[in-house]
Amino acid sequence: DQQVKQNSPSLSVQEGRISILNCDYTNSMFDYFLWYKKYPAEGPTFLISISSIKDKNEDGRFTVFLNKSAKHLSLHIVPSQPGDSAVYFCAASASGGTSYDKVIFGPGTSLSVIP
Amino acid sequence: EPEVTQTPSHQVTQMGQEVILRCVPISNHLYFYWYRQILGQKVEFLVSFYNNEISEKSEIFDDQFSVERPDGSNFTLKIRSTKLEDSAMYFCASSEEDGTPLHFGNGTRLTVT
Repeated sequence: DQQVKQNSPSLSVQEGRISILNCDYTNSMFDYFLWYKKYPAEGPTFLISISSIKDKNEDGRFTVFLNKSAKHLSLHIVPSQPGDSAVYFCAASASGGTSYDKVIFGPGTSLSVIP
Repeated sequence: EPEVTQTPSHQVTQMGQEVILRCVPISNHLYFYWYRQILGQKVEFLVSFYNNEISEKSEIFDDQFSVERPDGSNFTLKIRSTKLEDSAMYFCASSEEDGTPLHFGNGTRLTVT
């Protein structure tokens, strides 16, 4: 039961261009979405988040877009840099009123930024 | 910047043995989690812990698993009798408040032979 899907296991982008990573979810109760970045031999690190009351959140080169009706979100990185090469996990949680206990991760997309 | 630390980085154990994975969450964080990632698969939620008790657990977290916060700084995951399929990278995470992003440790690679 894949509640959070990242259908592209890998993506290659030229340095300086835009990277677009996509994520789809099935659980309509999800109301908080996050992107984590993971380098080899390290734990995931938080990148950016968005709550369901917004449709866009921007932080420097990173922008997350949320389309609730399509149950789709995307992460845009522009301009892409070689140091952005990592696995990107989309994650989602449902507040259930008070708790964000259980964050569900997608399978990840491996981004390679080519110099 | 404060970080979550996990020890050991790699644990090898024989099937049927007990293992304890250790984590030191960020000191002012109140919510603690264990996740695991089997090689080539996605990161899976195991358990969350708050106020000295489990707040939620997944179907993976069966009777063979337990968590404990034995003192003010450590957070441990115990697997009572390991199975081959428990081989995975286990990540500890903590968060400051309910609803804030998780901070992950670098993981413990558990290999069950």
